[in-house]
Amino acid sequence: NAGVTQTPKFQVLKTGQSMTLQCAQDMNHEYMSWYRQDPGMGLRLIHYSVGAGITDQGEVPNGYNVSRSTTEDFPLRLLSAAPSQTSVYFCASTVGQGWTGELFFGEGSRLTVL
Amino acid sequence: AQKITQTQPGMFVQEKEAVTLDCTYDTSDQSYGLFWYKQPSSGEMIFLIYQGSYDEQNATEGRYSLNFQKARKSANLVISASQLGDSAMYFCAMTRQLFNQGGKLIFGQGTELSVKP
Repeated sequence: NAGVTQTPKFQVLKTGQSMTLQCAQDMNHEYMSWYRQDPGMGLRLIHYSVGAGITDQGEVPNGYNVSRSTTEDFPLRLLSAAPSQTSVYFCASTVGQGWTGELFFGEGSRLTVL
Repeated sequence: AQKITQTQPGMFVQEKEAVTLDCTYDTSDQSYGLFWYKQPSSGEMIFLIYQGSYDEQNATEGRYSLNFQKARKSANLVISASQLGDSAMYFCAMTRQLFNQGGKLIFGQGTELSVKP
């Protein structure tokens, strides 16, 4: 089982460049979300989606865009990268309404902005 | 606003001993869920255990148990019989309402556990 797949795993960008972190899940999960992990701060929610066509902002949404055109895919776009966006990014999914269980995380994408 | 606090940045435990990782939370909600995740050095996030705010019994999953003290707003993780493979970063997290609405979790800062042989 693939689970949650993130690409790329590593990326180096220059300030001002744009890029998209891809996330795909093959579990037919309704909910998907993006987190960033910075040293000493735990994970913080960037954006989330409760279904295809529905997205909303999390705790730290500035500088990031998302869309959810299909149940499977939830890409995260950086329109103009800044050094403050250097972080490890995790995509996650979970079943959906009424589920008390865990998030399933991807392996993470390490982004460095120079 | 909800908040999770993990006051132990790092801990050591001897192999085969039990260890408690502290977690306190702040919320005005009556319904919420509490989670623990493990992050080994390889970086992936591994779900360990879940406790709902209305659950009267402490959650258990194998060697993991969650010591839920609602009045004190604490949700400590207890690992029994520590193993070398338990060395990792551990995160406490919570969600508003009992159900994981939108996959939104609030995480603590984490505790790094080192198991000594």
